[in-house]
Amino acid sequence: TQLLEQSPQFLSIQEGENLTVYCNSSSVFSSLQWYRQEPGEGPVLLVTVVTGGEVKKLKRLTFQFGDARKDSSLHITAAQPGDTGLYLCAGGEAGRRALTFGSGTRLQVQP
Amino acid sequence: DSGVTQTPKHLITATGQRVTLRCSPRSGDLSVYWYQQSLDQGLQFLIQYYNGEERAKGNILERFSAQQFPDLHSELNLSSLELGDSALYFCASSPRPSSYEQYFGPGTRLTVT
Repeated sequence: TQLLEQSPQFLSIQEGENLTVYCNSSSVFSSLQWYRQEPGEGPVLLVTVVTGGEVKKLKRLTFQFGDARKDSSLHITAAQPGDTGLYLCAGGEAGRRALTFGSGTRLQVQP
Repeated sequence: DSGVTQTPKHLITATGQRVTLRCSPRSGDLSVYWYQQSLDQGLQFLIQYYNGEERAKGNILERFSAQQFPDLHSELNLSSLELGDSALYFCASSPRPSSYEQYFGPGTRLTVT
């Protein structure tokens, strides 16, 4: 089973700051998803990227899939308290139906 | 709201007992996945069903079993419960077995005392 490492594990910033979360693996993934999870709730799908070098934007969130499809990043511009949560990356492998999840980045945005 | 429903929301039981967790996938989704989330292990894949048939197994203990019924709802059965089984259990669904996108339910929090 391939592993996904996320960094940083914890991030506490002030409202209005920018931040980047990283998701890295030594292996290639067919797809990469980002989820956000709030306490006591299930992960909510934010985006799926499938092409190496692909960039997707969702309002203030920018997602990038590495050229070699081994890594991904999530950049948040002008963070808001509503962005607070656990951000999880998840990789899909060709021929394997289950997702491999990273350990998560816990983000706290202070007002 | 993802459209995936899970019951119960919370479950407290004693060691050695057996419990059943229930999941209804999104309308039209044929594939159901079960995951376990604990503080030290993160989200771990347990098992997948597609249209009633088991399709993939992950790190699922022999004390755990699951099934998917003709109406596509799924149940996860946990038996001979141990303290270490305390965790959040999530169900996710997708329209096809090979779909990369999965939609998660709100989870069942299991506490074994």
